[in-house]
Amino acid sequence: DQQVKQNSPSLSVQEGRISILNCDYTNSMFDYFLWYKKYPAEGPTFLISISSIKDKNEDGRFTVFLNKSAKHLSLHIVPSQPGDSAVYFCAASERNTPLVFGKGTRLSVIA
Amino acid sequence: ETGVTQSPTHLIKTRGQQVTLRCSSQSGHNTVSWYQQALGQGPQFIFQYYREEENGRGNFPPRFSGLQFPNYSSELNVNALELDDSALYLCASSLTERLNTEAFFGQGTRLTVV
Repeated sequence: DQQVKQNSPSLSVQEGRISILNCDYTNSMFDYFLWYKKYPAEGPTFLISISSIKDKNEDGRFTVFLNKSAKHLSLHIVPSQPGDSAVYFCAASERNTPLVFGKGTRLSVIA
Repeated sequence: ETGVTQSPTHLIKTRGQQVTLRCSSQSGHNTVSWYQQALGQGPQFIFQYYREEENGRGNFPPRFSGLQFPNYSSELNVNALELDDSALYLCASSLTERLNTEAFFGQGTRLTVV
C-alpha cells in the first residue's frame, strides 16, 4: 500500500507560467516532507522541505504548501523555466524514520 | 568539494550471482544510505550506515548487506541475485545520522539481472 502518492505521472507547462505538482499521503503520523528533483543520469537533488508545524515554506521560485487535514502537499514553481524540466519526487517521514518516496511526476516546461 | 560518487555506473549480472556496488560519500559526510529505485517507482530505503554501523534498515531481505569503511565510503552487497533486483541503486550521504534528513545522492548504479 503506497503511503505517498503522486497521482500525475507527467505535467506540461509553458515557460513563465506556474507549475503545480501534487502529493498525497495516507500516514497521519508523517511530520516532515521533502521534494527532490531528478535529471536523467543524475541522482535526486534536494529542493525544499517543510515540517508539519508549518503550512508553507518558500525558497526563491519554489514554494511548498502543506494541508495536514487533507494530507496533501503541493510544490509551486513560479515562473517555470525550461531547466526545471525533470522528475520531481515527494518524500515524507514520521519522526526519525526513513523517507518514503512517491513515484514521481515528470515536469516538462515548454519554451 | 567532491560530491557522492558511485561505481560502476552500469552492471549486468546473472540470476544467482553476487554483486558489490560502491559509494564514496561527499567530503565531510559520515552517514551513507542506500536506496533501490525500480522502474517507474520512487527510491526505496534499503539501509543506512553511520560511523561504520548499520543505523536503520528498510524492508529488504538479509541477502542485501552493506559495509561502511573508516573513510565513510560504503559498499552494498547483494547475494543470490533475482530478476526483481534489477533497478537503479542510489547511494546518498549526509552530515547527520537522522534517517529523514535531506541527503546528497550519487548518480546511481543501474543493475540488470538476466
